[in-house]
Amino acid sequence: DSGVTQTPKHLITATGQRVTLRCSPRSGDLSVYWYQQSLDQGLQFLIHYYNGEERAKGNILERFSAQQFPDLHSELNLSSLELGDSALYFCASSLGLAGVGTQYFGPGTRLLVL
Amino acid sequence: KNEVEQSPQNLTAQEGEFITINCSYSVGISALHWLQQHPGGGIVSLFMLSSGKKKHGRLIATINIQEKHSSLHITASHPRDSAVYICAPFMEYGNKLVFGAGTILRVKS
Repeated sequence: DSGVTQTPKHLITATGQRVTLRCSPRSGDLSVYWYQQSLDQGLQFLIHYYNGEERAKGNILERFSAQQFPDLHSELNLSSLELGDSALYFCASSLGLAGVGTQYFGPGTRLLVL
Repeated sequence: KNEVEQSPQNLTAQEGEFITINCSYSVGISALHWLQQHPGGGIVSLFMLSSGKKKHGRLIATINIQEKHSSLHITASHPRDSAVYICAPFMEYGNKLVFGAGTILRVKS
Protein backbone atom coordinates (compact mmCIF):
# COMPACT_ATOMS: atom_id res chain seq x y z
CA ASP A 1 0.00 0.00 0.00
CA SER A 2 1.57 3.26 -1.21
CA GLY A 3 -0.55 5.47 1.02
CA VAL A 4 -2.02 7.22 -2.03
CA THR A 5 -5.75 6.73 -2.49
CA GLN A 6 -7.80 7.21 -5.61
CA THR A 7 -11.54 7.12 -6.11
CA PRO A 8 -13.41 5.71 -7.81
CA LYS A 9 -11.61 2.49 -8.80
CA HIS A 10 -13.76 2.00 -11.86
CA LEU A 11 -15.92 4.37 -13.85
CA ILE A 12 -18.14 3.64 -16.82
CA THR A 13 -19.74 6.55 -18.59
CA ALA A 14 -20.96 7.70 -21.98
CA THR A 15 -19.44 9.96 -24.59
CA GLY A 16 -20.05 13.63 -23.96
CA GLN A 17 -20.26 13.21 -20.19
CA ARG A 18 -18.10 14.75 -17.49
CA VAL A 19 -16.37 12.89 -14.65
CA THR A 20 -14.21 13.79 -11.67
CA LEU A 21 -11.40 11.61 -10.42
CA ARG A 22 -10.10 12.12 -6.92
CA CYS A 23 -6.68 11.59 -5.39
CA SER A 24 -5.48 11.84 -1.80
CA PRO A 25 -1.68 11.96 -1.48
CA ARG A 26 0.41 10.29 1.18
CA SER A 27 0.41 12.12 4.46
CA GLY A 28 2.97 14.92 4.29
CA ASP A 29 3.44 14.86 0.52
CA LEU A 30 2.94 18.24 -1.12
CA SER A 31 3.24 17.20 -4.78
CA VAL A 32 0.54 15.44 -6.77
CA TYR A 33 1.03 14.20 -10.32
CA TRP A 34 -1.59 12.90 -12.73
CA TYR A 35 -0.83 10.33 -15.42
CA GLN A 36 -2.86 8.65 -18.14
CA GLN A 37 -2.15 5.11 -19.33
CA SER A 38 -3.84 3.98 -22.50
CA LEU A 39 -3.21 0.93 -24.66
CA ASP A 40 -2.00 2.90 -27.65
CA GLN A 41 -0.09 5.74 -25.94
CA GLY A 42 1.31 4.05 -22.85
CA LEU A 43 1.94 6.17 -19.76
CA GLN A 44 1.83 9.93 -20.21
CA PHE A 45 2.29 12.77 -17.78
CA LEU A 46 -0.71 15.08 -17.53
CA ILE A 47 -0.11 17.66 -14.82
CA HIS A 48 1.76 18.37 -11.57
CA TYR A 49 0.60 20.36 -8.57
CA TYR A 50 2.69 21.42 -5.62
CA ASN A 51 1.03 22.77 -2.49
CA GLY A 52 -1.97 23.98 -4.42
CA GLU A 53 -0.17 25.49 -7.39
CA GLU A 54 0.21 24.11 -10.88
CA ARG A 55 3.91 23.45 -11.54
CA ALA A 56 4.14 21.57 -14.82
CA LYS A 57 1.86 20.56 -17.61
CA GLY A 58 2.21 17.67 -20.00
CA ASN A 59 -0.03 16.23 -22.66
CA ILE A 60 -3.23 17.34 -21.01
CA LEU A 61 -6.17 18.06 -23.29
CA GLU A 62 -8.08 21.32 -22.96
CA ARG A 63 -11.16 19.25 -22.05
CA PHE A 64 -9.28 18.11 -18.93
CA SER A 65 -8.57 20.24 -15.90
CA ALA A 66 -7.21 19.64 -12.44
CA GLN A 67 -6.78 21.34 -9.13
CA GLN A 68 -5.22 20.73 -5.76
CA PHE A 69 -7.14 21.82 -2.71
CA PRO A 70 -5.87 23.30 0.58
CA ASP A 71 -6.04 19.86 2.23
CA LEU A 72 -3.73 18.72 -0.63
CA HIS A 73 -6.13 16.29 -2.24
CA SER A 74 -6.46 16.71 -5.97
CA GLU A 75 -9.19 16.27 -8.54
CA LEU A 76 -8.92 15.63 -12.25
CA ASN A 77 -11.95 16.72 -14.24
CA LEU A 78 -12.55 15.19 -17.65
CA SER A 79 -15.31 16.70 -19.77
CA SER A 80 -16.90 16.11 -23.18
CA LEU A 81 -15.61 12.59 -22.92
CA GLU A 82 -14.64 10.70 -26.04
CA LEU A 83 -14.08 7.00 -26.62
CA GLY A 84 -10.33 7.63 -26.75
CA ASP A 85 -10.33 8.92 -23.19
CA SER A 86 -10.84 5.38 -21.95
CA ALA A 87 -7.70 4.65 -19.95
CA LEU A 88 -6.21 4.08 -16.54
CA TYR A 89 -5.63 7.34 -14.70
CA PHE A 90 -3.00 7.31 -11.99
CA CYS A 91 -2.08 9.91 -9.50
CA ALA A 92 1.20 9.88 -7.65
CA SER A 93 2.55 11.95 -4.80
CA SER A 94 5.97 12.95 -3.59
CA LEU A 95 7.32 14.98 -0.73
CA GLY A 96 9.04 17.80 -2.53
CA LEU A 97 8.73 20.07 -5.50
CA ALA A 98 11.03 18.57 -8.10
CA GLY A 99 10.31 15.24 -9.74
CA VAL A 100 13.59 13.75 -8.65
CA GLY A 101 12.11 12.36 -5.47
CA THR A 102 10.42 8.98 -5.28
CA GLN A 103 6.86 9.10 -6.51
CA TYR A 104 4.27 6.92 -4.83
CA PHE A 105 1.51 5.80 -7.14
CA GLY A 106 -2.13 5.31 -6.31
CA PRO A 107 -4.02 2.21 -7.48
CA GLY A 108 -5.52 4.08 -10.45
CA THR A 109 -8.99 4.79 -11.75
CA ARG A 110 -10.06 2.71 -14.72
CA LEU A 111 -12.27 4.84 -16.98
CA LEU A 112 -14.36 3.30 -19.71
CA VAL A 113 -16.20 5.63 -22.08
CA LEU A 114 -18.94 3.94 -24.09
CA LYS B 1 12.26 8.87 -32.60
CA ASN B 2 10.93 8.26 -29.11
CA GLU B 3 12.60 10.12 -26.27
CA VAL B 4 12.90 6.85 -24.33
CA GLU B 5 13.70 3.47 -25.83
CA GLN B 6 13.47 0.28 -23.82
CA SER B 7 14.64 -3.17 -24.79
CA PRO B 8 13.61 -5.86 -24.98
CA GLN B 9 9.87 -5.32 -25.35
CA ASN B 10 9.14 -8.86 -24.18
CA LEU B 11 11.29 -11.20 -22.15
CA THR B 12 10.64 -14.75 -21.03
CA ALA B 13 13.10 -16.27 -18.59
CA GLN B 14 13.47 -19.44 -16.56
CA GLU B 15 13.44 -19.14 -12.82
CA GLY B 16 16.93 -18.38 -11.55
CA GLU B 17 18.16 -16.61 -14.68
CA PHE B 18 19.92 -13.24 -14.62
CA ILE B 19 17.84 -10.62 -16.41
CA THR B 20 18.82 -7.28 -17.92
CA ILE B 21 16.47 -4.60 -19.21
CA ASN B 22 17.97 -1.62 -21.02
CA CYS B 23 16.83 1.96 -21.33
CA SER B 24 18.22 4.68 -23.59
CA TYR B 25 17.01 8.25 -23.66
CA SER B 26 17.72 11.25 -25.83
CA VAL B 27 16.86 14.16 -23.55
CA GLY B 28 18.62 15.92 -20.72
CA ILE B 29 17.55 14.46 -17.42
CA SER B 30 18.15 15.05 -13.74
CA ALA B 31 17.18 11.55 -12.59
CA LEU B 32 15.72 8.31 -13.85
CA HIS B 33 13.07 6.09 -12.31
CA TRP B 34 12.47 2.40 -12.76
CA LEU B 35 8.87 1.37 -12.17
CA GLN B 36 7.22 -2.02 -11.85
CA GLN B 37 3.63 -2.53 -12.93
CA HIS B 38 1.90 -5.67 -11.75
CA PRO B 39 -0.70 -7.55 -13.81
CA GLY B 40 -3.43 -5.97 -11.67
CA GLY B 41 -2.27 -2.54 -12.83
CA GLY B 42 -0.63 -1.13 -9.71
CA ILE B 43 2.64 0.77 -10.17
CA VAL B 44 5.52 0.63 -7.72
CA SER B 45 8.64 2.76 -7.86
CA LEU B 46 11.69 0.48 -7.69
CA PHE B 47 14.52 2.96 -8.01
CA MET B 48 15.24 6.62 -8.52
CA LEU B 49 18.84 7.29 -9.49
CA SER B 50 20.87 10.13 -10.90
CA SER B 51 24.30 8.50 -11.04
CA GLY B 52 26.09 5.22 -10.50
CA LYS B 53 24.35 2.17 -9.16
CA LYS B 54 21.70 1.20 -6.61
CA LYS B 55 20.79 -2.20 -5.22
CA HIS B 56 17.65 -3.42 -3.46
CA GLY B 57 17.67 -7.12 -2.73
CA ARG B 58 17.91 -8.97 -6.06
CA LEU B 59 17.40 -5.80 -8.09
CA ILE B 60 20.24 -3.61 -9.33
CA ALA B 61 19.92 -0.40 -11.34
CA THR B 62 22.73 1.45 -13.06
CA ILE B 63 22.88 4.68 -14.98
CA ASN B 64 25.46 6.36 -17.20
CA ILE B 65 24.39 9.96 -17.61
CA GLN B 66 27.03 10.75 -20.25
CA GLU B 67 25.93 7.82 -22.42
CA LYS B 68 22.24 8.43 -21.68
CA HIS B 69 21.70 4.82 -20.72
CA SER B 70 20.36 2.88 -17.76
CA SER B 71 19.97 -0.80 -17.02
CA LEU B 72 17.84 -2.79 -14.60
CA HIS B 73 19.17 -6.17 -13.56
CA ILE B 74 17.34 -8.92 -11.72
CA THR B 75 19.49 -11.63 -10.22
CA ALA B 76 18.10 -15.11 -9.51
CA SER B 77 14.76 -14.28 -11.16
CA HIS B 78 11.57 -15.69 -9.69
CA PRO B 79 8.03 -16.08 -11.07
CA ARG B 80 6.86 -13.30 -8.74
CA ASP B 81 9.12 -10.92 -10.71
CA SER B 82 6.74 -11.30 -13.65
CA ALA B 83 5.50 -7.79 -14.37
CA VAL B 84 6.00 -4.85 -16.71
CA TYR B 85 9.12 -2.81 -16.02
CA ILE B 86 9.07 0.82 -17.10
CA CYS B 87 11.96 3.23 -17.45
CA ALA B 88 11.01 6.84 -16.71
CA PRO B 89 13.59 9.60 -17.02
CA PHE B 90 12.79 12.93 -15.38
CA MET B 91 13.26 15.57 -18.05
CA GLU B 92 14.98 18.78 -17.09
CA TYR B 93 13.03 20.58 -19.81
CA GLY B 94 9.41 20.50 -18.81
CA ASN B 95 10.07 19.12 -15.33
CA LYS B 96 8.24 15.91 -16.05
CA LEU B 97 8.61 12.18 -16.25
CA VAL B 98 8.63 10.61 -19.69
CA PHE B 99 8.04 6.90 -19.99
CA GLY B 100 9.42 4.02 -21.95
CA ALA B 101 6.96 1.60 -23.52
CA GLY B 102 7.81 -0.99 -20.89
CA THR B 103 9.32 -4.46 -20.89
CA ILE B 104 6.94 -7.34 -20.28
CA LEU B 105 8.80 -9.91 -18.20
CA ARG B 106 7.55 -13.43 -17.64
CA VAL B 107 9.55 -15.75 -15.41
CA LYS B 108 8.65 -19.41 -15.71
CA SER B 109 9.18 -21.93 -12.92
